Amino acid sequence: GAVVSQHPSWVICKSGTSVKIECRSLDFQATTMFWYRQFPKQSLMLMATSNEGSKATYEQGVEKDKFLINHASLTLSTLTVTSAHPEDSSFYICSARDKGRGNTEAFFGQGTRLTVV
Amino acid sequence: SQELEQSPQSLIVQEGKNLTINCTSSKTLYGLYWYKQKYGEGLIFLMMLQKGGEEKSHEKITAKLDEKKQQSSLHITASQPSHAGIYLCGAALGRAQKLVFGQGTRLTINP
Repeated sequence: GAVVSQHPSWVICKSGTSVKIECRSLDFQATTMFWYRQFPKQSLMLMATSNEGSKATYEQGVEKDKFLINHASLTLSTLTVTSAHPEDSSFYICSARDKGRGNTEAFFGQGTRLTVV
Repeated sequence: SQELEQSPQSLIVQEGKNLTINCTSSKTLYGLYWYKQKYGEGLIFLMMLQKGGEEKSHEKITAKLDEKKQQSSLHITASQPSHAGIYLCGAALGRAQKLVFGQGTRLTINP
């Protein structure tokens, strides 16, 4: 089955620094990828929709200057948390749809646990 | 506002019992996904439903999408400890087909 690889799986960074999270579709092309964050005991909250070759579409309340998304190729989207603060600590997870299969299941990465100290 | 309402939010059942989780949308669903997750881990795809009245089964888990395509149910028969986890329903919405999720149902199976 299709595989989405997310890296790193966990990261600890100092407050004020930036962290980049990568989401790769390993065996398919993904024109659209989605970025979510999840707080403990809560569901996944969609942050933004990442479109290859164009600007990401952010959900209401999500700061685009803080959460930078780049979707430079059909197999890679990156989320950069800039000037991270402890409240940014969360579980971030990406998903991607297979361009070749139309509206089928969305494949998820393993997630990244970010801790800002 | 929550685009997908999932119920119950928490469920504790005795091992061997059956259970049902519901997912309701105020809009017509064009793709309804069911996933399972252990917190802090990735999502495990269970099933996708697209057609009104569609029903799919995998092992002891059955999911249905009602005729009006606004509600789906996930039914587990003879529950086992391995079924414990968080169940999430997701739907593709809007022209961008963005995938949004319900609040999740935390399932606990007691021995």
